[in-house]
Amino acid sequence: DQQVKQNSPSLSVQEGRISILNCDYTNSMFDYFLWYKKYPAEGPTFLISISSIKDKNEDGRFTVFLNKSAKHLSLHIVPSQPGDSAVYFCAASASSNSGYALNFGKGTSLLVTP
Amino acid sequence: ETGVTQTPRHLVMGMTNKKSLKCEQHLGHNAMYWYKQSAKKPLELMFVYNFKEQTENNSVPSRFSPECPNSSHLFLHLHTLQPEDSALYLCASRQRGRASTEAFFGQGTRLTVV
Repeated sequence: DQQVKQNSPSLSVQEGRISILNCDYTNSMFDYFLWYKKYPAEGPTFLISISSIKDKNEDGRFTVFLNKSAKHLSLHIVPSQPGDSAVYFCAASASSNSGYALNFGKGTSLLVTP
Repeated sequence: ETGVTQTPRHLVMGMTNKKSLKCEQHLGHNAMYWYKQSAKKPLELMFVYNFKEQTENNSVPSRFSPECPNSSHLFLHLHTLQPEDSALYLCASRQRGRASTEAFFGQGTRLTVV
């Protein structure tokens, strides 16, 4: 059973506009959420994270919003750049899990067009 | 370079072969993971090691055999694989005991079973 869901497999945005990537989760024990960016044939690289005690975290052009009551988080990229084109994975972990393993969604492929 | 190194980057093996994937991390982390990424699927957690002890095995077939001789090295021994095992195998490490930390991934091994 998939606990982290990214329901949009792809998204296309014009350069300079806002990209919004969405993620839903089902496990209420998750207390730490991350976004990873992945290029083909490479491992995922960490982008930004948020703890469940916060509802927003900002780092440059990237902002993550967390809505715990809706079990939903989103990643905003403003302004979007062609170099942002990649697959974005949402991940979550629970500190109650001794391994702190990350649970991943299927990813959303973002294409930023000039 | 994320501090997690995987070798080989590419591997083609027959169904009767035995091969091993290697992962090494230079980050001082104490938890290491094997993930599998197949096309159009989320990253699937395979194994979790904490302080060299295996703490999770996500119903992985016995033809995959992990080994963690120390907290810096992780192996995945492969034998009698099936074509459907062809995928990108990713190693990751994380600092256990601090839930609010990201996992760092290696570049992955692209495995093709023929």
